[in-house]
Amino acid sequence: AQTVTQSQPEMSVQEAETVTLSCTYDTSESNYYLFWYKQPPSRQMILVIRQEAYKQQNATENRFSVNFQKAAKSFSLKISDSQLGDTAMYFCAFKPNAGNMLTFGGGTRLMVKP
Amino acid sequence: DTEVTQTPKHLVMGMTNKKSLKCEQHMGHRAMYWYKQKAKKPPELMFVYSYEKLSINESVPSRFSPECPNSSLLNLHLHALQPEDSALYLCASSQGLAGSDTQYFGPGTRLTVL
Repeated sequence: AQTVTQSQPEMSVQEAETVTLSCTYDTSESNYYLFWYKQPPSRQMILVIRQEAYKQQNATENRFSVNFQKAAKSFSLKISDSQLGDTAMYFCAFKPNAGNMLTFGGGTRLMVKP
Repeated sequence: DTEVTQTPKHLVMGMTNKKSLKCEQHMGHRAMYWYKQKAKKPPELMFVYSYEKLSINESVPSRFSPECPNSSLLNLHLHALQPEDSALYLCASSQGLAGSDTQYFGPGTRLTVL
């Protein structure tokens, strides 16, 4: 079984600054996928970024990038130039290559302050 | 277009009522999911449908009854619910059940059971 841990229940950042959200996972799988989902107060879970474990290059999507350290089983999310609209709950999630069950971390509540 | 729609947005029901939640996607996805999410917690998987057949039932009580009338629609029929069933119910879809298939979520239905 896989586990996903987000050690920061809450974080805050000033608008325009950079913030990093942590995520670690435990698995015996060698091939898998990792995701960050954002859930703003509007409730919809929005895919932020996805990383394939077989790719060494870190995924980026505009202001969002990840630091994927496979050996350390770490998958952190960096948000650059934070905006008020980034205020949300962020969930890290794991999915093995052999199945479609998502395992979520406990979430990090991010507040962007003006 | 990565859109999953859900109706209604909010639902209040008594313990003796029968109601249904609806989910629709037009992305040609062949897998659909129901999740239950309590406040400040990650989503919990309830059911998975693949090619309109129930693939996974995570030991959900029989007062929740899923239905997949066609590849675009997923319903969740509710009967004799308990107050502890109050939660956000999220629908998701993916291309298939492969590990590489990303799940896309709808905006959810906020259910309150009185």
